[in-house]
Amino acid sequence: SAVISQKPSRDICQRGTSLTIQCQVDSQVTMMFWYRQQPGQSLTLIATANQGSEATYESGFVIDKFPISRPNLTFSTLTVSNMSPEDSSIYLCSVAPGTSNYGYTFGSGTRLTVV
Amino acid sequence: SQQGEEDPQALSIQEGENATMNCSYKTSINNLQWYRQNSGRGLVHLILIRSNEREKHSGRLRVTLDTSKKSSSLLITASRAADTASYFCATVSDSNYQLIWGAGTKLIIKP
Repeated sequence: SAVISQKPSRDICQRGTSLTIQCQVDSQVTMMFWYRQQPGQSLTLIATANQGSEATYESGFVIDKFPISRPNLTFSTLTVSNMSPEDSSIYLCSVAPGTSNYGYTFGSGTRLTVV
Repeated sequence: SQQGEEDPQALSIQEGENATMNCSYKTSINNLQWYRQNSGRGLVHLILIRSNEREKHSGRLRVTLDTSKKSSSLLITASRAADTASYFCATVSDSNYQLIWGAGTKLIIKP
């Protein structure tokens, strides 16, 4: 299965600033997903990022707030823009397996605190 | 992307006991997967069961799937302190690759 390197692992940011989270995959993958996880909660999908096309955002998430880059099949970034304390969360990237018989792989997560 | 329910929400047992977690979902699926998450870190895939399977084993893990009841259970036998984590079920449909998540069970193994 793929291995994902996610950076940064954590950050404390001032409100009004932006943070870009990176995910590097050790193999080419078609579908990448970005999630947000509030403390003690389950995962909420932010968007699906396919190389060569615009990311598809879920209800409640917009491109101006969470712009996503997917320049090639091994890399993606998620930017959290104009941050407020409500954006404090864990952000995770994930990739789908090549076939439906395998599980998904996740990055180690970015713990974001906005002060 | 969240439609499932898991119970219990939290489970605390003694080391060596068995832990059972349940998951329910709402729509038809291609497969159901279980993941473990330690202390808000990334999720680790544990086991996948396809819609035409009823039971699957992997080491100390046993997963069952009842598609008529739209439910699954994860059994961890002979629990260890290292099993302390949050456990999530997730389903994949035939129509797209999005994971639909359960609410999760927080498992604490007391030494």
